[in-house]
Amino acid sequence: NAGVTQTPKFQVLKTGQSMTLQCAQDMNHEYMSWYRQDPGMGLRLIHYSVGAGITDQGEVPNGYNVSRSTTEDFPLRLLSAAPSQTSVYFCASSPYEGRPTQYFGPGTRLLVL
Amino acid sequence: GQSLEQPSEVTAVEGAIVQINCTYQTSGFYGLSWYQQHDGGAPTFLSYNGLDGLEETGRFSSFLSRSDSYGYLLLQELQMKDSASYFCAPGNYQLIWGAGTKLIIKP
Repeated sequence: NAGVTQTPKFQVLKTGQSMTLQCAQDMNHEYMSWYRQDPGMGLRLIHYSVGAGITDQGEVPNGYNVSRSTTEDFPLRLLSAAPSQTSVYFCASSPYEGRPTQYFGPGTRLLVL
Repeated sequence: GQSLEQPSEVTAVEGAIVQINCTYQTSGFYGLSWYQQHDGGAPTFLSYNGLDGLEETGRFSSFLSRSDSYGYLLLQELQMKDSASYFCAPGNYQLIWGAGTKLIIKP
């Protein structure tokens, strides 16, 4: 199993550009989520999904869109990048039953100029 | 409101025992998780307490008291590779994260 994979690893954007961060998992997990982590901080939840076709907002959803057309994939779209979105983005998945262990991808480091 | 408190930094000696405390205030409670994160890496799951008491996993143990809204992570026989940030995260799946505790281990 590859676990949770994220692409790209690094990205530089100019203000106003849009892009999609990819996340995929091969563990058949129902629950997936996106977090951002700023330097010296914990993670903040952006969006999450409890299954294909179901998404909901987390703590900091503004400026981001998500969709979940399959169990495996959960892309995060930045609509119009802003310098405040410079951060490290982590995708996570979890089996939506039993102990809520979250498995994280390696992260995407995003710099918005 | 929701809040979370952990010490920002803890220093310990290799081979020693260290305890990282966590107090929380949440609307509803669904358990307390602990994660480890090395610099530049992703968080990795360490332990989960859904009920009061102690959970032991090798050198790591975690404790929860729901009546006190308090938990701790106990790391024994510290090794240099345990130098990392540790996060307690109350919640079920939509976890609440604090700023974490940076554990510095000295030889």
